[in-house]
Amino acid sequence: KAGVTQTPRYLIKTRGQQVTLSCSPISGHRSVSWYQQTPGQGLQFLFEYFSETQRNKGNFPGRFSGRQFSNSRSEMNVSTLELGDSALYLCASSPDPGPNTEAFFGQGTRLTVV
Amino acid sequence: GESVGLHLPTLSVQEGDNSIINCAYSNSASDYFIWYKQESGKGPQFIIDIRSNMDKRQGQRVTVLLNKTVKHLSLQIAATQPGDSAVYFCGDTSGTYKYIFGTGTRLKVLA
Repeated sequence: KAGVTQTPRYLIKTRGQQVTLSCSPISGHRSVSWYQQTPGQGLQFLFEYFSETQRNKGNFPGRFSGRQFSNSRSEMNVSTLELGDSALYLCASSPDPGPNTEAFFGQGTRLTVV
Repeated sequence: GESVGLHLPTLSVQEGDNSIINCAYSNSASDYFIWYKQESGKGPQFIIDIRSNMDKRQGQRVTVLLNKTVKHLSLQIAATQPGDSAVYFCGDTSGTYKYIFGTGTRLKVLA
């Protein structure tokens, strides 16, 4: 069974631009969560999607948004990029939503904002 | 708080010894705890989990201990191997978010 796939693996963008990251969950998994990993803040929860609906959202500005499609694939978008948005963005999938289930992480997308 | 990377708490252990990685959580309502391992260049991988109605849970070479009184969690790795070198994250749930993770501890295994 294929794991969680994130594309692209690496991305370089300029301040002010926007970016879209993609995540394909494990087949059969319906819940997708996104995390931002930075040296200064560790792993921080962005949002969780299930059945095309955002269930939970972390403490991030409105520039960070996401969506989930009917096939459970998810995208996250960051608009008006800032230098501080440089980070590893990780996607995790679970069979079901909610906190009490193991999440399987992808390898992440490394975003660099210059 | 502590930072990942250059300022990440580091535990150095001799190969073959046991490792103990500690974690504190703040939400007394958390009812599920989880440990992940992240090797360089990879996404985090699940190690073991424990529910709040348990004090201890064992896996293959790993044991998680939960002390709800002091809101403390520990991960014990028996007979630490070079392949155990990684950053270890503990996470808990507040019922709202998927997981709230700590900043991580880097484990270095010395040959």
